[in-house]
Amino acid sequence: EIVLTQSPTTMAASPGEKVTITCRASSSVSYMHWYQQKPGASPKPWIYDTSKLASGVPNRFSGSGSGTSYSLTISSMETEDTATYYCQQWSSNSPTFGAGTKLELK
Amino acid sequence: EVQLQQSGPEVGRPGSSVKISCKASGYTFTDYVMNWVKQSPGQGLEWIGWIDPEYGSTDYAEKFKKKATLTADTSSSTAYIQLSSLTSEDTATYFCALTGSSYYFDYWGQGVMVTVSS
Repeated sequence: EIVLTQSPTTMAASPGEKVTITCRASSSVSYMHWYQQKPGASPKPWIYDTSKLASGVPNRFSGSGSGTSYSLTISSMETEDTATYYCQQWSSNSPTFGAGTKLELK
Repeated sequence: EVQLQQSGPEVGRPGSSVKISCKASGYTFTDYVMNWVKQSPGQGLEWIGWIDPEYGSTDYAEKFKKKATLTADTSSSTAYIQLSSLTSEDTATYFCALTGSSYYFDYWGQGVMVTVSS
C-alpha cells in the first residue's frame, strides 16, 4: 500500500496569503488527485491528474508535482477556501488518501 | 446530471449487520465502477472497495475483506454495501463514489452515518 503523508496537518492563512499543501508518497505515483471537504459535506473533487482543476474550482488553485512529491497551491487565500484538503493516489492496486490538511482563516 | 442518492442513517447493535444503498441516476449504471469510502468521526478517508455493476466483479482493501460485502442491482441502478459483525470501530460515515477513467472519485453520494450502539 502506498502511504500518502500530507503536511502541514493544520494551518491558518490570512486573506490574500499564498498557501501550499504538500503530499508525499511512500512510492512513486503517476498522478495525484485532491479533494476539498467542508464540515458535514461530502468530499468534492478539486484537482485531478495532478494539475487539472475540477469543474467550478477557482483558478487561484493549482496543483503540481511528480514522482513522490506533490502540492496544492492557493495563490491568494480567500475565506471560502477554509476546508480540509485530501490528496489521493491510485497508481497501486488500491487507492489511498492522505490524512488531510485543515486550512483555517487567520 | 449524475446523482448518487444514499439511504438514511443506520443504527446497528454490536455483532449485527447493516446494509446501506446508493441509488445512481443521470448516467448508465453499468458504465462506471462504484466505490465505497469510509470516514470515521473526525478522521480521514479510507477506501473500502469497488464493484463493477456490469460484471458484478469486486475488489476490496485488505482491511475490509471480512467486514464489507459489495453488491449491485442493475435493474434499479442501486449499489449496496453490507457491513457485518459490527463493532464500535464501524461507527462512521460511508460514502459511495464513482470512478472514471482517471482513477479519481469524481461523484460522491451524500454519505450515510452508521452508528454502532447497544
